[in-house]
Amino acid sequence: EVQLVESGGGLVKPGGSLRLSCAASGFTFSSYSMNWVRQAPGKGLEWVSSISSSSSYIYYADSVKGRFTISRDNAKNSLYLQMNSLRAEDTAVYYCASPDQLLHDAFDIWGQGTMVTVSS
Amino acid sequence: DIQLTQSPSFLSASVGDRVTITCRASQGISSYLAWYQQKPGKAPKLLIYAASTLQSGVPSRFSGSGSGTEFTLTISSLQPEDFATYYCQQLNSYPRTFGPGTKVDIK
Repeated sequence: EVQLVESGGGLVKPGGSLRLSCAASGFTFSSYSMNWVRQAPGKGLEWVSSISSSSSYIYYADSVKGRFTISRDNAKNSLYLQMNSLRAEDTAVYYCASPDQLLHDAFDIWGQGTMVTVSS
Repeated sequence: DIQLTQSPSFLSASVGDRVTITCRASQGISSYLAWYQQKPGKAPKLLIYAASTLQSGVPSRFSGSGSGTEFTLTISSLQPEDFATYYCQQLNSYPRTFGPGTKVDIK
């Protein structure tokens, strides 16, 4: 079964750090680029970051650039998001998502999400 | 950056109704547009990619059209399980922006 499972969310104080993980199974993880998408409570979807299959290409939303770092370990079938200098506005459910080049890069596989709460 | 707008932001409809949602891009994106359905507490689900291609397993009452800057998602006969929020997303360039969403509610 194709699956993405996020972990690492929790409550953190403003200015703090958190590292999210996404474990992939059921597909050839090393062949696919990966993304993080977040959704603040009651709000819409916001794309956060993308990383290519070999980590050669990395992109960030302006809202997280310089504070978040995306990475992956293809040997462990895992995707990561290191979040530093967290702000209240980073409070959201964070999803990892996998696009398929055959589907014009649409995100066809999503994890269940992990909640990050930034509050004092 | 490419901005996406959706209209309406909210619509109230009845089972059996035909529903159309519009997504407009701030610049041309060819057919690099996807539509997602999201229900409360759940991850988004891909419905349509390449503007008009139905994802495997998605009911045929869903259809998409458009290219360039204007796109539509149509549900030909709304079913109880279709009450949800719908998002468009452009995949032409980074950042991979989403539209603000359209919530479809029960009339």
